[in-house]
Amino acid sequence: AQTVTQSQPEMSVQEAETVTLSCTYDTSESDYYLFWYKQPPSRQMILVIRQEAYKQQNATENRFSVNFQKAAKSFSLKISDSQLGDAAMYFCAYRFYGQNFVFGPGTRLSVLP
Amino acid sequence: EPEVTQTPSHQVTQMGQEVILRCVPISNHLYFYWYRQILGQKVEFLVSFYNNEISEKSEIFDDQFSVERPDGSNFTLKIRSTKLEDSAMYFCASSQGGDNYGYTFGSGTRLTVV
Repeated sequence: AQTVTQSQPEMSVQEAETVTLSCTYDTSESDYYLFWYKQPPSRQMILVIRQEAYKQQNATENRFSVNFQKAAKSFSLKISDSQLGDAAMYFCAYRFYGQNFVFGPGTRLSVLP
Repeated sequence: EPEVTQTPSHQVTQMGQEVILRCVPISNHLYFYWYRQILGQKVEFLVSFYNNEISEKSEIFDDQFSVERPDGSNFTLKIRSTKLEDSAMYFCASSQGGDNYGYTFGSGTRLTVV
């Protein structure tokens, strides 16, 4: 069964600084999708970024980028120029073609002014 | 941007009562899902629904749960006899289909069983 691990239950970053959230996963599949979701205090699930495993190029969305290491089964999220509004719970998720999401346990990110 | 709408945002119910959580998926989406997040824990898959039938369900989705698409727009999750441990945030999601299309999650319904 696929599993997703986030080894950092909590992280903090100074405003305007850069922070990296870690995620590793386990799968025997070669084609799949990886996601980072943000969950603010409102508890809504907001897609931050997604990566197709067959693409070697790392996905980027404005201040958010990933470091996808397929052989190592690692998918970290880098947030540059951190803003107060980035404070939230961040979930890494895996999805194999046609199947449901498998979520990691989450990392709570605090942004310090 | 199209949204998945969930109502109510917060529901309080007595143990043993039935609850129905409602979702309006995005209109041209074909696949529908329910996920659950117990406070402080990770989001867990409950069930997926396609072509008017359940396509996959987890072990959490036991006989007390059911889903229905009663008309062309709503997608509901019914819990027949609620238990204290059913207290959680319930997320509906929909997708157009295939894996070139991402999910869209609703904003969730917080269910509190007392």
